[in-house]
Amino acid sequence: SSELTQDPGVSVALGQTVRITCQGDSLRSYYATWYQQKPRQAPVIVMYHVNNRPSGIPDRFSASGSGNTASLTITGAQAEDEADYYCSSRDSSGRGVFGGGTKLTVL
Amino acid sequence: QVHLQESGPRLVRASETLSLTCSVSAGSMTNYYWTWIRQPPGKGLEWIGYIFYNGVTNYNSSVKSRVTMLIDTSKNQFSLNLRSVTAADTAVYYCARGKFCSGGNCYWLDNWGQGALVTVSS
Repeated sequence: SSELTQDPGVSVALGQTVRITCQGDSLRSYYATWYQQKPRQAPVIVMYHVNNRPSGIPDRFSASGSGNTASLTITGAQAEDEADYYCSSRDSSGRGVFGGGTKLTVL
Repeated sequence: QVHLQESGPRLVRASETLSLTCSVSAGSMTNYYWTWIRQPPGKGLEWIGYIFYNGVTNYNSSVKSRVTMLIDTSKNQFSLNLRSVTAADTAVYYCARGKFCSGGNCYWLDNWGQGALVTVSS
C-alpha cells in the first residue's frame, strides 16, 4: 500500500520539543518529505531527502526515519510553527502520495 | 527563485472540463517534474500527477481516466485538464515544481504556486 498515516492533531508547549510521525509501507523504500501549511497559504517544504532543510527553514526542524515510520521533530517550538504538517513520499510507480496531515497546536 | 502562478476558470459546471495553466517564471523547465496537487476545502492534500519537461506523464490512479497534462516549454507553461467533473472535484488546485533525488528514492516539491480555488457547480 502507498498510503501514509499521520496523527490528526498534536500539541506542544511553547519552547518544548514535538515529534510528528508518519507511517506507511512506502517509507521502507523511499524517504519522506515534509511540508508546512499555514491557513490560507500554499504548503512550504521544510525537510527533504532524509534530513535536508531548504534555505530559510530554521534549524529547529529536523527529520529522521526508521522502518515504515518517518518523523519530523521541532526542537524548541515557536508560535509561528503552528500549522498543518504533511508528510509525502512516492510509491513504486513513481507517483506521489501525501499523508492526511497533522495539525500542530503551540500552547 | 522560481515563481509559479495558476490561471484559469474558477467556476466549472458539473460534467464539463476543468482547465488550469501554470506559468513558470525565473527558471528553466528542464529536468523537473511539473506537478499538480489539489486540496478540497477543509481537507488534506491529494497528488494529481506530474508531467516531465519532455512530456512524460504520471497520474494518480484515482483520476487517471479523466486527466490530461500538457507542457509547453517554449512558453514556460504546463496545464491540467480534468474531464467530467463533479462536486467532489471542488478544491484548491496547486501547481508545483518536483524533483527526484539521484537514485530515485525520494521526491519533493520545492516551489509551489499560490493555488486556485475551482468550484464545480451543479
